[in-house]
Amino acid sequence: KNQVEQSPQSLIILEGKNCTLQCNYTVSPFSNLRWYKQDTGRGPVSLTIMTFSENTKSNGRYTATLDADTKQSSLHITASQLSDSASYICVVSVGNTDKLIFGTGTRLQVFP
Amino acid sequence: EAQVTQNPRYLITVTGKKLTVTCSQNMNHEYMSWYRQDPGLGLRQIYYSMNVEVTDKGDVPEGYKVSRKEKRNFPLILESPSPNQTSLYFCASSIVRPRAYETQYFGPGTRLLVL
Repeated sequence: KNQVEQSPQSLIILEGKNCTLQCNYTVSPFSNLRWYKQDTGRGPVSLTIMTFSENTKSNGRYTATLDADTKQSSLHITASQLSDSASYICVVSVGNTDKLIFGTGTRLQVFP
Repeated sequence: EAQVTQNPRYLITVTGKKLTVTCSQNMNHEYMSWYRQDPGLGLRQIYYSMNVEVTDKGDVPEGYKVSRKEKRNFPLILESPSPNQTSLYFCASSIVRPRAYETQYFGPGTRLLVL
């Protein structure tokens, strides 16, 4: 069964600290992996998209990594800011289809 | 400004009263999709459309209808809403189908409560 699991479910950090969110998937065949940021009550906004040939992709203070062999991805946030408080969703595209498998997200809270 | 818009943003209705949630994008995108988001569950696809007059079911299509008469619009219709359709709904669009390496843009969401 195609699944995307994210951990932790929730995370609290202090402003200025770094953090890493995890995504494990069992999707096959794999096409690409996306990370989205979703502010409370708003639509998800794309952070990164990676194919199996890409190991790392950055978008400002956000850096995503992908290990296609172990089927794991991580999103690293550097020098967190209050505005980073949001849910972060990992999404995997199933190869040769148009199906997207969504994780349930990690809720990050950044405190001053 | 490139965007996906949805209306209404909030809606309270009663069981059985037909309603339509509109979705419009100004990016000339071919692919459009509807999702619902419920607590503890990931986004689940309701219906999607590859282009004008081409629509197909997603994972949870029961109780919903869609149409794609124009490229920019993709309304979601609930013919006879029920309380289990209370949810947060998102419309999304992308240049082409998701298997391609393209970003999907989401609307701001419509929060629906069915009494």
